[in-house]
Order: sequence, then structure tokens, then C-alpha cells
Amino acid sequence: DTGVSQDPRHKITKRGQNVTFRCDPISEHNRLYWYRQTLGQGPEFLTYFQNEAQLEKSRLLSDRFSAERPKGSFSTLEIQRTEQGDSAMYLCASSLSTNTDTQYFGPGTRLTVL
Amino acid sequence: AQSVAQPEDQVNVAEGNPLTVKCTYSVSGNPYLFWYVQYPNRGLQFLLKYITGDNLVKGSYGFEAEFNKSQTSFHLKKPSALVSDSALYFCAVITGGSYIPTFGRGTSLIVHP
Repeated sequence: DTGVSQDPRHKITKRGQNVTFRCDPISEHNRLYWYRQTLGQGPEFLTYFQNEAQLEKSRLLSDRFSAERPKGSFSTLEIQRTEQGDSAMYLCASSLSTNTDTQYFGPGTRLTVL
Repeated sequence: AQSVAQPEDQVNVAEGNPLTVKCTYSVSGNPYLFWYVQYPNRGLQFLLKYITGDNLVKGSYGFEAEFNKSQTSFHLKKPSALVSDSALYFCAVITGGSYIPTFGRGTSLIVHP
């Protein structure tokens, strides 16, 4: 399978716990994006990487959120001290280098915070 | 700033009839426009995009979209709907100076047998 993969697909956690999600992009793609999607909404941008460099972060990304892409391949998104409002689908996408290149999305990680 | 509006939360169409899912945009430069489809509990799948050139863009699964600069629209169309087309459809826009797309809220397409 040469598409974008995400792990886990589902995560249920208790408020206050930390969670980490992983995204493996399409291998030749330089750019990697994280989005959050809630019911009835389109994806909302969180952050993106060009290779290993994190180039931009949304104001939605509070200091409880951190993302890494240490070797320019896979990426992780960590949420510390989860809150019920963090419950959402977290989507990862990857693309080649230009802004006209199509973003290809993974299946998403659905987070439920109890 | 860039924004996208999908004015219809839901579109209902009978199988075999033509379908249109509407999208309008607002940007300060040249727009790059995308359509994606999302099936339940799945990520978004790319359908088609307009970057430059011919205003009529053809994409996957028989879908097409027409870029209309004067009306700032990029409506998604298909001549004959299938029940399997039932899904959520998202329009997105990027402008030349940005690498971050803005997505619409999505339109739920329901195709009745």
C-alpha cells in the first residue's frame, strides 16, 4: 500500500491523559499536514512540515499540542492533558513540494476523550 | 485571506439524474481549487483540481467541475448520479502565496435509488 497511513484508527482516552498519533506519508512526498475535523465541519489546518522542518502552526494548535517529523518521513502528533474538546478526527495528508500539488489524506485517527 | 462557501448542507438527487454541488470562494489572488469526497469514517479522497487552463476540469468517477472566475464559483457536477456517489463533498481553495488550503464545511450528497 503506497497511500498515507495513520495509527491508531481509533483512540479512547480519559481526560487529562496524553495521546500520540502517528502518520506515515507517501514516501516521495516532502510535505506533511495535520488537520482536525469535527462533525459537520471541513478539515481545519493544524500544522505542516516541509521535510523535517515545521513551517507553520495554526492558532488552533494550543501549547498542549506538539508535532514532530524527526527524519522527514513519518510524523507524530501528541496531545498532552487531553480535554473533552479535543475529541475529533485527526487527519494527516501529504503532498509534493508546491502548493498546487494534490494533498493525499490518510484514513484519520478518531479521538474520543471521556 | 481566503474562504470557501458551500451553501447547501445537503443535496438530494435521484439516481440517474444530473447532480450539482455548489462551491464559491473568496481569495485575494489566483485561486487553486480542489474537490474531495469523504465516505463515512474515512479520510478525504481527491476528485479533481483547477490550477490553470481549461475552465472545465474532469476528475475521478465521472465528476467534473467548472471554474467561473466572474462568479467566483467552482461547482461540482456529474451527468448521471449513482447511489454509490452518496457521501460528503468538500471544496477547498489555496491562493498563490499560501501552502495551507481552506476547506468548506462540506455538502452531504444523497442519491436515492
